[in-house]
Amino acid sequence: DIQMTQSPSSLSASVGDGVAITCRTSQKIFKFLNWYQQKPGKAPKLLISAASSLQSGVPSRFSGSGSETDFTLTISSLQPEDFATYYCQQSYTTPITFGQGTRLDIK
Amino acid sequence: QVQLVQSGSEVKKPGASVKVSCKASGYIYTSYYIHWVRQAPGHGLEWMGVFNPTNTRIKYAQILQGRVSMTRDTSTSTFYMELSNLRSDDTAVYYCARPQVDGTEVDAFDIWGQGTLVTVSS
Repeated sequence: DIQMTQSPSSLSASVGDGVAITCRTSQKIFKFLNWYQQKPGKAPKLLISAASSLQSGVPSRFSGSGSETDFTLTISSLQPEDFATYYCQQSYTTPITFGQGTRLDIK
Repeated sequence: QVQLVQSGSEVKKPGASVKVSCKASGYIYTSYYIHWVRQAPGHGLEWMGVFNPTNTRIKYAQILQGRVSMTRDTSTSTFYMELSNLRSDDTAVYYCARPQVDGTEVDAFDIWGQGTLVTVSS
């Protein structure tokens, strides 16, 4: 199975700050890496697919980068609605695996 | 509108089985695989398996082998996930999810059901 190491596990920031969340995989997955946002009591929402492809309707302050084994989700200028938990996911092969999540809190 | 609508919460005793439904609408349901993902309270996302609606073949997470089955009802465009021999650590919200690209087994999930809470308690 492909292991996903996501960091940090939690992060405190203020509105207007920029933050970065990283995801490292145990083997090369090219660009088969996706990012989700999850709010309490809700299903995950797809933000970015294929490492850097922003989904329709997702604000441009979200961006993704990386390839092979190292990936980053960057949020520039945090807005109040961005405080949530973020997960990376590899879609290179089954079993599909997720990072353990990064909880982003308001400082 | 493309959506997946799941059945309601369940409370089960240890050793029992639970069957969660996921009704697809707004798209040709046979064109897309369906995945099941679960999330224990306060924990992350765990992939359970994937169902091919064209040939009904299934791939399961190894940890669930022998306890999980996935089926469909073609007359109602509904998918089912049944988990047997329930344990307390099966308490979780169970989601069905659809890949972004039709005919693709493994892809980003752009459509999710709302989730079904299954509580296992004696």
